Amino acid sequence: NAGVTQTPKFQVLKTGQSMTLQCAQDMNHEYMSWYRQDPGMGLRLIHYSVGAGITDQGEVPNGYNVSRSTTEDFPLRLLSAAPSQTSVYFCASSAPGTGQGQYFGPGTRLLVL
Amino acid sequence: AQSVTQLDSQVPVFEEAPVELRCNYSSSVSVYLFWYVQYPNQGLQLLLKYLSGSTLVKGINGFEAEFNKSQTSFHLRKPSVHISDTAEYFCAVEGSNYQLIWGAGTKLIIKP
Repeated sequence: NAGVTQTPKFQVLKTGQSMTLQCAQDMNHEYMSWYRQDPGMGLRLIHYSVGAGITDQGEVPNGYNVSRSTTEDFPLRLLSAAPSQTSVYFCASSAPGTGQGQYFGPGTRLLVL
Repeated sequence: AQSVTQLDSQVPVFEEAPVELRCNYSSSVSVYLFWYVQYPNQGLQLLLKYLSGSTLVKGINGFEAEFNKSQTSFHLRKPSVHISDTAEYFCAVEGSNYQLIWGAGTKLIIKP
């Protein structure tokens, strides 16, 4: 099992550009989520999904879109990048209600100039 | 609403000394509690979890945590730390919609 994979590992964008951060998992987990991590702020939930076709907003959804067309994939789209979106982004997945906890990807480091 | 408080943002400790990282939670429902570790420039890795049963939970790398329902705490301990334990540690509780509610993290700093 590859677990949770994220691409790219690192990206530099100019203000106003758009891009998609990819996330995939091969554990057949129903629940997937996106976090951003900023110094001193811990992990903040951007969007999450409890299954294919179902997504919902987390704590900091503005400026981001998600979709969940398959169980495996959960891409995060930045519509028009802003310097405030400079952060490290983590994708995670879990099997709901099992108590196994969330499995994390290695992260994507994004710099918006 | 559920919440998690990690009482220390940084904990400096000498190598081979014991350490305790404190975590308090608030929850009105049954709790699943977790500790995660994040080594520098890496993702988060599950260290240990409490679901039910014995209140003392053992995890990887010699860490253990004790669930205390009356004090709503889930403190993480290690009897003797090593330089390789330098990392940030996050406490979390599973909330509604299977979301994890996160503490702000505690940086463990090992002094030689």
